[in-house]
Amino acid sequence: DAKTTQPPSMDCAEGRAANLPCNHSTISGNEYVYWYRQIHSQGPQYIIHGLKNNETNEMASLIITEDRKSSTLILPHATLRDTAVYYCIVRRGNTGFQKLVFGTGTRLLVSP
Amino acid sequence: SQTIHQWPATLVQPVGSPLSLECTVEGTSNPNLYWYRQAAGRGLQLLFYSVGIGQISSEVPQNLSASRPQDRQFILSSKKLLLSDSGFYLCAWIGVNTEAFFGQGTRLTVV
Repeated sequence: DAKTTQPPSMDCAEGRAANLPCNHSTISGNEYVYWYRQIHSQGPQYIIHGLKNNETNEMASLIITEDRKSSTLILPHATLRDTAVYYCIVRRGNTGFQKLVFGTGTRLLVSP
Repeated sequence: SQTIHQWPATLVQPVGSPLSLECTVEGTSNPNLYWYRQAAGRGLQLLFYSVGIGQISSEVPQNLSASRPQDRQFILSSKKLLLSDSGFYLCAWIGVNTEAFFGQGTRLTVV
């Protein structure tokens, strides 16, 4: 099973872009990279996911390297409400069953 | 749309008492369901998952058990709670090639 590694914490100024890195060097060809975030005392919230191509939605952008061994979540204009723990996860299992195993994540602190 | 309900939101229980946390999902059939626990200041630990009625898989040995009596119902139980069972418990539904949906969690404090 692939594992992910993330820095334990990062700081970002409000209004600036937050770039959160993730390493997943043992990812398999059919495994997706998912990003979630968890605001204190709430359930994790889905942000974005991708397989090979870069992805963008209303919340963030996901940049996946060509060798797929790492990715970066980009919050283009961070706000105070983006302060949370961000989890990078590689989806495992076959098409009939998917299991999400969370690492320790990155605690992002957005400051005024 | 898919939703997931989890209750209660908070719970304070004495050591040695039983536990029952319930999770139900709407908007999907035959979902894969999961129980996670998060100790204070820690990451999410996968406890149990279920791919169907009566099918339970345990990820780690512990003082807890899970059951799936109905397709959209997942229950986390304990016969006798320990102090170490305190934490934030999350139920999740994960579909094939879709994102996961999490409940709002139950904060359990064992005293």
